[in-house]
Order: sequence, then structure tokens, then C-alpha cells
Amino acid sequence: GEDVEQSLFLSVREGDSSVINCTYTDSSSTYLYWYKQEPGAGLQLLTYIFSNMDMKQDQRLTVLLNKKDKHLSLRIADTQTGDSAIYFCAESISSGTYKYIFGTGTRLKVLA
Amino acid sequence: NAGVTQTPKFQVLKTGQSMTLQCAQDMNHNSMYWYRQDPGMGLRLIYYSASEGTTDKGEVPNGYNVSRLNKREFSLRLESAAPSQTSVYFCASRDVGLAGAYEQYFGPGTRLTVT
Repeated sequence: GEDVEQSLFLSVREGDSSVINCTYTDSSSTYLYWYKQEPGAGLQLLTYIFSNMDMKQDQRLTVLLNKKDKHLSLRIADTQTGDSAIYFCAESISSGTYKYIFGTGTRLKVLA
Repeated sequence: NAGVTQTPKFQVLKTGQSMTLQCAQDMNHNSMYWYRQDPGMGLRLIYYSASEGTTDKGEVPNGYNVSRLNKREFSLRLESAAPSQTSVYFCASRDVGLAGAYEQYFGPGTRLTVT
């Protein structure tokens, strides 16, 4: 069945890089997404990657996709206290469906 | 342009009471979704509506009903609330973004407690 897994917590020092990892099971995923949730708020799309790409860079964010291992990662360079939030990875299965599978979320805590 | 709005923001119900959570989007999106978020479990899809006039069950539909009133509005109803339905509920709508990515836009959530 479809499943997306993430570790629950990550703690880093301000200025360091953060790497948040995600594994998924459905090999027919078309797009994979990273969402950010700040306290008391809804989810906001941070970035996404098409399944035939290996890497995508967007300012401080780098997404790496290893399709063979079904592993997705989000690297945040120069992590700031404002990056403290819960980060969700998600997959959409194909362009014909309307469903998304979300991971459990990784709570990132940035220490000053 | 308000995006996705949800009402109410907070609600406390007694077991057995009913209520409707409201959601509206002003982005002319076809697809809309209801999720619940529980600690350590991420987001789970309750129901979704691919387009006006259609609704489908998601992963956890039991105890809920939905109505896609028009293209803008998608409501979620709890007919007889149970403590297991204590959760944060998010509504979302979907756009087709650049390069074909299907971006979801989320509302701010409704925090529901059932006692």
C-alpha cells in the first residue's frame, strides 16, 4: 500500500544545515512535495520535484530524489530560527488521481 | 484574494452533538479536500471532491459526511461527534501550477475537541 515515512524530530544549531529525510513506497509517484507548517497554521508548499528529476535547488532549499531507493530529502542551508516548524513530505500518485499521501511530519527545532 | 478560509477556528462539542465545518476558496480551484491532523500521524484524507458535484471517500471517512455546495464551498459534517474525532481539521484546494505540479493550498485549520 501507499506509505510515506519521516523521522519525527530534528534539532540543529542556527547557521548549520538541516537535512530532513522521507521514504515513500509508491513507485508511480509523479510529484513529491515538501510542505512547511508553522505553529497554529495550515500547511504551505515549500517546493516540489518531478519524479524524473534527481535534484532541485531553490535558494536555501535543495531537494534530492533517489528514485531507486524511494528516498527524498530536503536540505535547508544556513538554518534560521524562523525555519523552526513541522515539515511534511507528500506524494501525488499520478496526474489522473486527486489524492496525496502525506508523511507524519518532522518537527525541526533550531537552537540559537 | 483570501485563499482558503475555514470556520470556525475552534470548537468544543459534547459526545453525540453534530456540527458542520465550513470551507471556502476564492481561487477557482476544481478540487477540494478535507484532512484531519493528529499527533504523530500526519495528515489523513477524510473526503475529497475532484470537481463540483462529485465527492469521494479518503482514508478515514467513517463518522463524516461532506457536501460540495458549489465550486467555492466544501463542508464537512459530523453527525454524532465522538471523542476519537478530536483533531485539527484542514481544508485544502488544488491548482495546477507551473510544469504541471498539483499544488495544494491549505486553510488555517479548525481545532475540534469532543468531550
